[in-house]
Amino acid sequence: GENVEQHPSTLSVQEGDSAVIKCTYSDSASNYFPWYKQELGKGPQLIIDIRSNVGEKKDQRIAVTLNKTAKHFSLHITETQPEDSAVYFCAASPSGGYQKVTFGTGTKLQVIP
Amino acid sequence: EADIYQTPRYLVIGTGKKITLECSQTMGHDKMYWYQQDPGMELHLIHYSYGVNSTEKGDLSSESTVSRIRTEHFPLTLESARPSHTSQYLCASSGRDAQTAKNIQYFGAGTRLSVL
Repeated sequence: GENVEQHPSTLSVQEGDSAVIKCTYSDSASNYFPWYKQELGKGPQLIIDIRSNVGEKKDQRIAVTLNKTAKHFSLHITETQPEDSAVYFCAASPSGGYQKVTFGTGTKLQVIP
Repeated sequence: EADIYQTPRYLVIGTGKKITLECSQTMGHDKMYWYQQDPGMELHLIHYSYGVNSTEKGDLSSESTVSRIRTEHFPLTLESARPSHTSQYLCASSGRDAQTAKNIQYFGAGTRLSVL
């Protein structure tokens, strides 16, 4: 089955700096890679996703990159703000998410004002 | 915003009690899931359902049981709660996004269970 590894487990950055979270996956059949943000006391919410036919996707201060050959994908947050502080999960799934979604172990991001 | 609801949000009970955690969604999604979330954050899939009368065990063994009698409702039951069941339980549902054709999971806010 799929195995998704996520690093780092905790990340502290100064407000305004960039944050990068990295994930690797094992199953070459995976073609859909969502990222979720979980704020304190809430469930995870999808913030951005990428399909395997795209190498990069950007949405305002958030970007994801995918290297299919190396089976790596990353989340980049630029100009971090205190409200970016949360736990972030990467995930991988075959068939656009219709089959099982495997989550990474989570990264706790703290943005220091 | 996702229309998926979990009740109760917090529950403190004694050992041996039977409990049911409720999860409902109004999006008409066929697929629903229960995750157990460690204090260390990791999400563990414990049950899932692909539709009415369909239930499957997830990756993490759990003493809980689930039922799916109606599309919108996916309750989780512990027949005899123990301190080892203390955790956060997250329910999710997924369905085909009309615009993107992707199958996106939407999560409820979770139930934090403490068994004394």
